[in-house]
Amino acid sequence: SQTIHQWPATLVQPVGSPLSLECTVEGTSNPNLYWYRQAAGRGLQLLFYSVGIGQISSEVPQNLSASRPQDRQFILSSKKLLLSDSGFYLCAWTRDTTGETQYFGPGTRLLVL
Amino acid sequence: AQSVAQPEDQVNVAEGNPLTVKCTYSVSGNPYLFWYVQYPNRGLQFLLKYITGDNLVKGSYGFEAEFNKSQTSFHLKKPSALVSDSALYFCAVRVQVKLIFGTGTRLQVFP
Repeated sequence: SQTIHQWPATLVQPVGSPLSLECTVEGTSNPNLYWYRQAAGRGLQLLFYSVGIGQISSEVPQNLSASRPQDRQFILSSKKLLLSDSGFYLCAWTRDTTGETQYFGPGTRLLVL
Repeated sequence: AQSVAQPEDQVNVAEGNPLTVKCTYSVSGNPYLFWYVQYPNRGLQFLLKYITGDNLVKGSYGFEAEFNKSQTSFHLKKPSALVSDSALYFCAVRVQVKLIFGTGTRLQVFP
Protein backbone atom coordinates (compact mmCIF):
# COMPACT_ATOMS: atom_id res chain seq x y z
CA SER A 1 0.00 0.00 0.00
CA GLN A 2 1.00 3.61 -0.48
CA THR A 3 2.00 5.96 2.31
CA ILE A 4 2.78 9.66 2.31
CA HIS A 5 4.97 11.28 4.95
CA GLN A 6 5.56 14.89 5.84
CA TRP A 7 8.02 16.39 8.29
CA PRO A 8 8.32 18.12 10.49
CA ALA A 9 4.84 17.98 11.95
CA THR A 10 5.15 21.42 13.49
CA LEU A 11 7.66 24.21 13.04
CA VAL A 12 8.14 27.62 14.65
CA GLN A 13 10.51 29.88 12.74
CA PRO A 14 11.54 33.54 13.01
CA VAL A 15 10.84 35.97 10.21
CA GLY A 16 13.68 36.00 7.70
CA SER A 17 14.85 32.47 8.41
CA PRO A 18 14.98 29.76 5.72
CA LEU A 19 12.49 26.93 5.36
CA SER A 20 12.59 23.37 4.15
CA LEU A 21 9.58 21.05 4.34
CA GLU A 22 9.84 17.54 3.05
CA CYS A 23 7.30 15.14 1.63
CA THR A 24 7.93 11.56 0.59
CA VAL A 25 5.69 8.89 -0.87
CA GLU A 26 6.18 5.15 -0.48
CA GLY A 27 4.73 2.27 -2.43
CA THR A 28 4.28 3.87 -5.83
CA SER A 29 6.39 5.20 -8.66
CA ASN A 30 6.20 8.34 -10.80
CA PRO A 31 3.42 9.97 -8.79
CA ASN A 32 2.13 13.46 -9.38
CA LEU A 33 2.99 15.50 -6.29
CA TYR A 34 1.36 18.63 -4.88
CA TRP A 35 1.96 21.27 -2.22
CA TYR A 36 -1.00 23.14 -0.71
CA ARG A 37 -1.28 25.79 1.96
CA GLN A 38 -4.29 26.11 4.20
CA ALA A 39 -4.74 29.32 6.16
CA ALA A 40 -7.03 29.69 9.18
CA GLY A 41 -8.40 26.16 8.86
CA ARG A 42 -10.32 26.85 5.68
CA GLY A 43 -9.64 26.90 1.98
CA LEU A 44 -6.78 25.13 0.24
CA GLN A 45 -4.41 27.03 -1.99
CA LEU A 46 -2.43 24.98 -4.50
CA LEU A 47 1.17 26.22 -4.42
CA PHE A 48 3.12 23.84 -6.65
CA TYR A 49 2.72 20.57 -8.46
CA SER A 50 5.09 18.19 -10.17
CA VAL A 51 4.48 15.49 -12.76
CA GLY A 52 8.06 14.20 -12.75
CA ILE A 53 11.59 14.63 -11.40
CA GLY A 54 12.75 18.19 -11.87
CA GLN A 55 9.40 19.29 -13.28
CA ILE A 56 7.78 21.96 -11.11
CA SER A 57 4.72 24.06 -11.91
CA SER A 58 4.03 27.11 -9.78
CA GLU A 59 0.47 28.17 -9.25
CA VAL A 60 0.95 31.35 -7.24
CA PRO A 61 4.03 33.59 -7.35
CA GLN A 62 5.23 34.11 -3.80
CA ASN A 63 8.04 33.68 -1.34
CA LEU A 64 8.26 29.92 -1.76
CA SER A 65 9.86 27.44 -4.14
CA ALA A 66 9.61 23.70 -4.67
CA SER A 67 11.94 21.00 -5.88
CA ARG A 68 11.67 17.34 -6.72
CA PRO A 69 15.13 15.82 -6.48
CA GLN A 70 13.89 12.23 -6.51
CA ASP A 71 10.85 10.48 -7.92
CA ARG A 72 9.00 10.28 -4.62
CA GLN A 73 10.39 13.31 -2.81
CA PHE A 74 8.94 16.79 -2.92
CA ILE A 75 10.49 19.70 -1.02
CA LEU A 76 9.03 23.10 -0.24
CA SER A 77 11.55 25.85 0.51
CA SER A 78 11.97 29.49 1.27
CA LYS A 79 15.10 31.59 1.60
CA LYS A 80 13.48 34.14 3.92
CA LEU A 81 10.20 33.50 5.69
CA LEU A 82 7.51 36.14 6.00
CA LEU A 83 4.80 36.36 8.65
CA SER A 84 2.28 35.63 5.94
CA ASP A 85 3.92 32.25 5.29
CA SER A 86 2.35 30.89 8.48
CA GLY A 87 -0.19 28.17 7.83
CA PHE A 88 -0.84 24.48 7.47
CA TYR A 89 1.10 22.92 4.59
CA LEU A 90 -0.23 19.81 2.97
CA CYS A 91 1.47 17.51 0.51
CA ALA A 92 -0.54 15.20 -1.73
CA TRP A 93 0.05 12.59 -4.40
CA THR A 94 -1.87 10.88 -7.15
CA ARG A 95 -1.24 8.44 -9.94
CA ASP A 96 -1.09 10.18 -13.28
CA THR A 97 -4.34 8.69 -14.52
CA THR A 98 -7.59 10.46 -15.23
CA GLY A 99 -9.99 10.21 -12.31
CA GLU A 100 -7.42 8.98 -9.83
CA THR A 101 -7.84 10.09 -6.23
CA GLN A 102 -5.47 12.58 -4.66
CA TYR A 103 -4.20 11.42 -1.25
CA PHE A 104 -2.95 13.80 1.39
CA GLY A 105 -0.20 13.69 3.96
CA PRO A 106 -0.66 14.59 7.63
CA GLY A 107 0.49 18.18 7.14
CA THR A 108 3.04 20.56 8.66
CA ARG A 109 1.93 23.40 10.90
CA LEU A 110 4.25 26.40 10.33
CA LEU A 111 4.21 29.42 12.60
CA VAL A 112 6.40 32.35 11.61
CA LEU A 113 7.06 34.81 14.43
CA ALA B 1 -13.78 29.41 -15.58
CA GLN B 2 -13.80 26.04 -13.89
CA SER B 3 -14.86 26.18 -10.27
CA VAL B 4 -16.50 24.53 -7.31
CA ALA B 5 -18.89 26.25 -4.92
CA GLN B 6 -19.87 25.24 -1.41
CA PRO B 7 -22.56 27.77 -0.55
CA GLU B 8 -22.73 27.03 3.17
CA ASP B 9 -19.91 27.96 5.53
CA GLN B 10 -21.46 25.86 8.27
CA VAL B 11 -24.15 23.22 8.55
CA ASN B 12 -25.67 22.33 11.91
CA VAL B 13 -27.59 19.11 12.44
CA ALA B 14 -28.79 17.09 15.39
CA GLU B 15 -27.35 13.64 15.94
CA GLY B 16 -29.51 11.00 14.27
CA ASN B 17 -30.93 13.40 11.69
CA PRO B 18 -30.03 13.25 8.01
CA LEU B 19 -27.38 15.65 6.77
CA THR B 20 -26.64 17.30 3.44
CA VAL B 21 -23.58 19.31 2.51
CA LYS B 22 -24.02 21.12 -0.78
CA CYS B 23 -21.62 21.41 -3.70
CA THR B 24 -22.07 22.78 -7.20
CA TYR B 25 -19.50 22.81 -9.97
CA SER B 26 -18.70 24.49 -13.25
CA VAL B 27 -16.40 22.61 -15.63
CA SER B 28 -16.19 21.92 -19.31
CA GLY B 29 -16.56 18.29 -20.30
CA ASN B 30 -17.29 15.39 -17.98
CA PRO B 31 -16.59 16.22 -14.34
CA TYR B 32 -14.56 14.08 -11.98
CA LEU B 33 -15.86 15.03 -8.53
CA PHE B 34 -14.51 14.29 -5.06
CA TRP B 35 -15.42 14.76 -1.41
CA TYR B 36 -12.85 14.99 1.37
CA VAL B 37 -13.14 15.39 5.14
CA GLN B 38 -10.66 17.12 7.42
CA TYR B 39 -10.47 16.75 11.18
CA PRO B 40 -8.61 19.40 13.24
CA ASN B 41 -4.88 19.55 12.56
CA ARG B 42 -5.06 16.61 10.18
CA GLY B 43 -4.66 16.12 6.46
CA LEU B 44 -7.62 15.64 4.15
CA GLN B 45 -9.18 12.19 4.02
CA PHE B 46 -10.82 10.94 0.86
CA LEU B 47 -14.53 10.07 1.25
CA LEU B 48 -15.83 9.30 -2.23
CA LYS B 49 -15.69 10.25 -5.88
CA TYR B 50 -17.79 10.31 -9.02
CA ILE B 51 -16.11 9.41 -12.28
CA THR B 52 -18.84 7.81 -14.34
CA GLY B 53 -21.73 5.40 -13.92
CA ASP B 54 -24.37 5.47 -11.19
CA ASN B 55 -25.32 8.94 -10.05
CA LEU B 56 -25.45 7.81 -6.42
CA VAL B 57 -21.96 7.16 -5.09
CA LYS B 58 -21.34 5.45 -1.77
CA GLY B 59 -18.23 6.16 0.25
CA SER B 60 -16.57 5.83 3.61
CA TYR B 61 -18.23 6.18 7.04
CA GLY B 62 -21.76 5.83 5.62
CA PHE B 63 -21.54 8.89 3.41
CA GLU B 64 -22.96 9.05 -0.09
CA ALA B 65 -23.21 11.71 -2.77
CA GLU B 66 -25.59 12.26 -5.63
CA PHE B 67 -24.33 13.52 -8.97
CA ASN B 68 -26.90 15.66 -10.76
CA LYS B 69 -25.76 16.73 -14.20
CA SER B 70 -28.70 19.01 -14.95
CA GLN B 71 -28.20 20.94 -11.71
CA THR B 72 -24.39 20.63 -11.83
CA SER B 73 -24.43 19.48 -8.23
CA PHE B 74 -22.71 16.82 -6.16
CA HIS B 75 -24.24 17.04 -2.68
CA LEU B 76 -22.85 14.94 0.17
CA LYS B 77 -25.41 13.09 2.28
CA LYS B 78 -25.71 10.80 5.24
CA PRO B 79 -28.98 9.28 6.51
CA SER B 80 -28.13 9.56 10.22
CA ALA B 81 -25.50 11.99 11.49
CA LEU B 82 -23.07 11.19 14.28
CA VAL B 83 -21.34 13.64 16.61
CA SER B 84 -18.06 12.21 15.30
CA ASP B 85 -18.98 13.43 11.80
CA SER B 86 -18.28 16.98 12.96
CA ALA B 87 -15.46 18.19 10.74
CA LEU B 88 -14.60 20.33 7.72
CA TYR B 89 -15.77 18.99 4.37
CA PHE B 90 -14.36 19.85 0.97
CA CYS B 91 -15.78 19.24 -2.47
CA ALA B 92 -13.34 19.19 -5.41
CA VAL B 93 -13.32 18.76 -9.16
CA ARG B 94 -10.39 17.45 -11.15
CA VAL B 95 -9.13 19.68 -13.97
CA GLN B 96 -6.31 18.05 -15.92
CA VAL B 97 -3.75 17.08 -13.25
CA LYS B 98 -5.06 19.40 -10.56
CA LEU B 99 -7.96 19.48 -8.11
CA ILE B 100 -10.00 22.63 -7.70
CA PHE B 101 -11.42 22.76 -4.17
CA GLY B 102 -14.42 24.50 -2.75
CA THR B 103 -13.98 26.75 0.26
CA GLY B 104 -15.14 24.07 2.66
CA THR B 105 -18.21 23.56 4.84
CA ARG B 106 -17.95 23.05 8.56
CA LEU B 107 -20.37 20.39 9.75
CA GLN B 108 -21.40 20.54 13.38
CA VAL B 109 -23.43 17.64 14.73
CA PHE B 110 -25.04 18.31 18.10
CA PRO B 111 -25.87 15.52 20.57
